[in-house]
Amino acid sequence: QVQLQESGPGLVKPSETLSLICTVSGGSINSHYWSWIRQPPGKGLEWIGYIHYSGNTNYNPSLRSRVTISVDSSRIQFSLKLTSVTAADTAVYYCARGTAAWGQGTLVTVSS
Amino acid sequence: ETVLTQSPGTLSLSPGERATLSCRASQSVSGSNLAWYQQKAGQAPRLLIFGASSRATGIPDRFSGSGSGTDFTLTISRLEPEDFAVYHCQQYGNSPWTFGQGTKVEIK
Repeated sequence: QVQLQESGPGLVKPSETLSLICTVSGGSINSHYWSWIRQPPGKGLEWIGYIHYSGNTNYNPSLRSRVTISVDSSRIQFSLKLTSVTAADTAVYYCARGTAAWGQGTLVTVSS
Repeated sequence: ETVLTQSPGTLSLSPGERATLSCRASQSVSGSNLAWYQQKAGQAPRLLIFGASSRATGIPDRFSGSGSGTDFTLTISRLEPEDFAVYHCQQYGNSPWTFGQGTKVEIK
């Protein structure tokens, strides 16, 4: 059964780049869509974007200018980069495979 | 962008009662590619329903999904104590994918 785990800094300074990695165990990135989703404290879920196993990407238009999702050559990790962050980017960030498998989430706080 | 509007915002019910949650889309969701998730405090969302009406693995049959086009419903036939949580709908048929704002099911 595939499992996902997010990792990365829990604190990022304003204007810097947020970088997270999602590590896949029990499978590899050779099928499905692989997404990033975030949830600001006390708020709803926001889809950030996905990378298809073929390499095609699709991003939320509201974040497109700042987001990059890519797959590592090992095909057991994929990453999220979000540039020029502000306090509004503070959230729990989840990675997911399709709809069914989600990581536990990691809180990223943007603060100086 | 396909906006999903969930109603009601909060549903106050007692264990054993029936819960009916609505998710309305601003445009038709392609392929009825709509999912429902349950989320408890401090946890990741858990998939309940995909494709509008298919139960995910291990989900009890008291959870059912229905609908197509722009109107979708999640029904919990008889609420168990562990069902009190926040429920989210998500459409993945149109680009960009989007989520509703959530419905909280609380104990009355």
